[in-house]
Amino acid sequence: QQQVRQSPQSLTVWEGETAILNCSYEDSTFNYFPWYQQFPGEGPALLISIRSVSDKKEDGRFTIFFNKREKKLSLHITDSQPGDSATYFCAASEETNSAGNKLTFGIGTRVLVRP
Amino acid sequence: EAAVTQSPRNKVTVTGGNVTLSCRQTNSHNYMYWYRQDTGHGLRLIHYSYGAGNLQIGDVPDGYKATRTTQEDFFLLLELASPSQTSLYFCASSDPPGGTYEQYFGPGTRLTVL
Repeated sequence: QQQVRQSPQSLTVWEGETAILNCSYEDSTFNYFPWYQQFPGEGPALLISIRSVSDKKEDGRFTIFFNKREKKLSLHITDSQPGDSATYFCAASEETNSAGNKLTFGIGTRVLVRP
Repeated sequence: EAAVTQSPRNKVTVTGGNVTLSCRQTNSHNYMYWYRQDTGHGLRLIHYSYGAGNLQIGDVPDGYKATRTTQEDFFLLLELASPSQTSLYFCASSDPPGGTYEQYFGPGTRLTVL
């Protein structure tokens, strides 16, 4: 049973458009939601994250919208650039003070931005 | 800047072979993780550790052993490799609690089991 679901699996947008990536989760104890960006041949790298006490987090052209009641979140990439072409992973964990950050990842969304 | 290195970067072995994947971090982080990445599955946690000598079981541990010899070094061992273990393996480190929960990933090791 997949605890973190992502859709779509792949997405193509034109340069300048907004890409919308969706994520949902099952475990109501999850309270930390990072998005990781991965370019081919590299390891994932943290892009932006949100905690469940917030409903929105913005960092430049990247914005997370979070709906705790529906257990859904989305990543919006505005003014998409060809350099944003990558795979994006939604992840979730329960932050605690005594354990490591055991992340559960979704399967990823491959984004292609056409110039 | 945080640094996680992995070796080898590519490895080919045969079914039943013995493989050790190495990971070193110079971040002074307490936590280290081993993931496998497969199309259609994303990243799945194999084992993790919160310090030298410590080992915690992840979500897909079967067929894998791990050992954390120092704060810097974390090894993944496949003692009887099988084709189902053909995958891209990533090591990561982080430093919660108190520090950032961000995980820093290495460049990956591509393992092929024939």
